[in-house]
Amino acid sequence: ETGVTQTPRHLVMGMTNKKSLKCEQHLGHNAMYWYKQSAKKPLELMFVYNFKEQTENNSVPSRFSPECPNSSHLFLHLHTLQPEDSALYLCASSPRWDTGYEQYFGPGTRLTVT
Amino acid sequence: SQQGEEDPQALSIQEGENATMNCSYKTSINNLQWYRQNSGRGLVHLILIRSNEREKHSGRLRVTLDTSKKSSSLLITASRAADTASYFCATGVTGTASKLTFGTGTRLQVTL
Repeated sequence: ETGVTQTPRHLVMGMTNKKSLKCEQHLGHNAMYWYKQSAKKPLELMFVYNFKEQTENNSVPSRFSPECPNSSHLFLHLHTLQPEDSALYLCASSPRWDTGYEQYFGPGTRLTVT
Repeated sequence: SQQGEEDPQALSIQEGENATMNCSYKTSINNLQWYRQNSGRGLVHLILIRSNEREKHSGRLRVTLDTSKKSSSLLITASRAADTASYFCATGVTGTASKLTFGTGTRLQVTL
């Protein structure tokens, strides 16, 4: 593993449920990211946090709500999701918010919306 | 869009052979990264190459970058079954719009 953990690893939820995904990094990085990976599609950047401040919201629907209480933790709160939101959700971190640094990914949460 | 597009989409080779994957993109970039993903897992960083570099090596990996053609290639030499994975290129620009844009990946299958 790369020092980035995600829980849960698998999640099945109904369209009316509320759930949260958690990401934690032990690398001392200052930037954290949420990505969505759907079958046959490129990895989609959802949110970027730099020093706990949100710097990117890539036109993500409001049913996804991120939270970054500190530089080590990142949450993705889910509410009233749609079946098309089923995907692998990946968290990543990097030393700084700059593409000149490699990103370290967690193992992902496989989300199924029924 | 500066999205990278990998070619081929899928590649099947035998152990010991070399594997070459290509990535093309559309707009100017500051750097390009290659990542590997085993089935259903997170991505693992392989190599980062900057726009002023033409070639980089890491173990059995060799990456080239041709900014005039807006393309990059990843060569894996003497492949092993453990190299079976999906490989993604990600293009990056720095500054206020800093973000990586990933391609759809090449699925590599290495058989014994």
